[in-house]
Amino acid sequence: KQEVTQIPAALSVPEGENLVLNCSFTDSAIYNLQWFRQDPGKGLTSLLLIQSSQREQTSGRLNASLDKSSGRSTLYIAASQPGDSATYLCAVKGDSSYKLIFGSGTRLLVRP
Amino acid sequence: EAQVTQNPRYLITVTGKKLTVTCSQNMNHEYMSWYRQDPGLGLRQIYYSMNVEVTDKGDVPEGYKVSRKEKRNFPLILESPSPNQTSLYFCASSYMGASYEQYFGPGTRLTVT
Repeated sequence: KQEVTQIPAALSVPEGENLVLNCSFTDSAIYNLQWFRQDPGKGLTSLLLIQSSQREQTSGRLNASLDKSSGRSTLYIAASQPGDSATYLCAVKGDSSYKLIFGSGTRLLVRP
Repeated sequence: EAQVTQNPRYLITVTGKKLTVTCSQNMNHEYMSWYRQDPGLGLRQIYYSMNVEVTDKGDVPEGYKVSRKEKRNFPLILESPSPNQTSLYFCASSYMGASYEQYFGPGTRLTVT
């Protein structure tokens, strides 16, 4: 059974710092992996979607990497800003599954 | 504007009183799903639908019902709510399944007393 873990559960950094959020999964037979952002009281917003054949995806200051064989993905945020404060979740879709399995998220606080 | 809407956004109810949470999307998506989010447990899928009249159970379907009579709507029904169904509920949709980018609604915070 696929399990998705995100460590740490919370992270506080000063503005301007580059940071990395981690996501690990137990079953490497995945179809894709998605990173989401969740703001308090709001729904999830899709940030990046990486197919299993890809190594990374970039959008602005965000870069997500995927290493299927080791069961790991990272979300790199460059030059963090207070507006980046949110909870970041990763989710994987298995090769033979119709479902997304979510991690519990990392709550990020970027201090001015 | 492309969006997924849910109603109501907040609901406080009592044990056993039937309720429906509506979900609607305007993107002509085939796939819709319902999740609940609980502290420490992350998002767990309740039900999903690949198309009109096609629904299937997710990981935590007990105590919930769904229907998909129209492509745009996917209501979540709690026939006899219990306190353990107190949670934050999200509806999501995508073009054709979990392989595609997911669009989430704003969430419905449900409290059952």
